Amino acid sequence: AQSVTQLDSHVSVSEGTPVLLRCNYSSSYSPSLFWYVQHPNKGLQLLLKYTSAATLVKGINGFEAEFKKSETSFHLTKPSAHMSDAAEYFCVVTATYGQNFVFGPGTRLSVLP
Amino acid sequence: EAGVTQSPTHLIKTRGQQATLRCSPISGHTSVYWYQQALGLGLQFLLWYDEGEERNRGNFPPRFSGRQFPNYSSELNVNALELEDSALYLCASSPATDYGYTFGSGTRLTVV
Repeated sequence: AQSVTQLDSHVSVSEGTPVLLRCNYSSSYSPSLFWYVQHPNKGLQLLLKYTSAATLVKGINGFEAEFKKSETSFHLTKPSAHMSDAAEYFCVVTATYGQNFVFGPGTRLSVLP
Repeated sequence: EAGVTQSPTHLIKTRGQQATLRCSPISGHTSVYWYQQALGLGLQFLLWYDEGEERNRGNFPPRFSGRQFPNYSSELNVNALELEDSALYLCASSPATDYGYTFGSGTRLTVV
């Protein structure tokens, strides 16, 4: 079985400062991991995905995440936050293709001017 | 390229009624997934359809059902609506051999 823990329900940063959103997972198999972003009243947009290739994954809008098997982590980072990054971020794990995605509870990112 | 489209965007129903939600996947995507995003409960997997067949089902009662049509579009039906069915229902599609889930903007279902 798979599970996802997002360690912070809310993260607040100032514009121009780094962003770190933490995600730990549990999986019986080699997992595939994803980060999605949801802006208010919008659907989910894929930021990046890890599917057993390079452990450092680069996504859209300057985000990246590093898969660390020893720590069972897949933290999302961005060097410099922008006001438009304010949204809800979901870490997602799945074990095999076609199996349902297991979503974390989400982290709400606030960006202060 | 058109994204995943869902209709209607908002739906208000009375307890006990039936709701029908529709999803059109990205052209070329054969798999359609349905998720429920209820307040305080996060995103919960509902159903997965591929090539017209139901492939997997989440932990929801049988009154949640659906189907996938030959053109890969999909319909989610919720019978005997309950107040706690009020949620954002998200549809996603993916190609046959890739994890590339693309989500629609969702249907906001309100049960009164």
